[in-house]
Amino acid sequence: DGGITQSPKYLFRKEGQNVTLSCEQNLNHDAMYWYRQDPGQGLRLIYYSQIVNDFQKGDIAEGYSVSREKKESFPLTVTSAQKNPTAFYLCASSSYGSNQPQHFGDGTRLSIL
Amino acid sequence: GQQVMQIPQYQHVQEGEDFTTYCNSSTTLSNIQWYKQRPGGHPVFLIQLVKSGEVKKQKRLTFQFGEAKKNSSLHITATQTTDVGTYFCAGGSSSNTGKLIFGQGTTLQVKP
Repeated sequence: DGGITQSPKYLFRKEGQNVTLSCEQNLNHDAMYWYRQDPGQGLRLIYYSQIVNDFQKGDIAEGYSVSREKKESFPLTVTSAQKNPTAFYLCASSSYGSNQPQHFGDGTRLSIL
Repeated sequence: GQQVMQIPQYQHVQEGEDFTTYCNSSTTLSNIQWYKQRPGGHPVFLIQLVKSGEVKKQKRLTFQFGEAKKNSSLHITATQTTDVGTYFCAGGSSSNTGKLIFGQGTTLQVKP
């Protein structure tokens, strides 16, 4: 989706290292989300944010951290505490409230070195 | 916690055959959304159903939302090779958070 940019496309992490995945949107959406996708599985919610300077844990938040200092940006840090970080990470955004469709970025594929 | 189960996990069809995927939720949903993810791509929003018993059509695709707002289906008539991908349902909770609970997805392969 042209309105959401994730970078980098591929990322490699060494043992004990924290890495940060970038997500920027120019859709003027209030809400942003981070999902993890493992092969053959659905999307699992890591963190979400409905407004600037506020965010909530999703179903699998352990080993991850986020910030929401600007409306356009919602970076995700995969910490060394996340022991199995290899996955496809997807960022999404939507208008505020329930019943809103989500728009996804192209994703970042994270692997362990 | 709230779960959305989706079946089947995989489906292989001959081009021209029909295809259906089903979703079931453990709780009543405020809405159900359907997404399509092409191989190597990201999920793309297809449609949203909000009303009990709602049926919507997009060309060869028919989407249904159950009367109890706990289940949904996507039916594709006369599949084409362009239909290849993984189809996800995603249920919205009754809280005003915008959170979606995704099903595991159904991966469709179409043999020409």
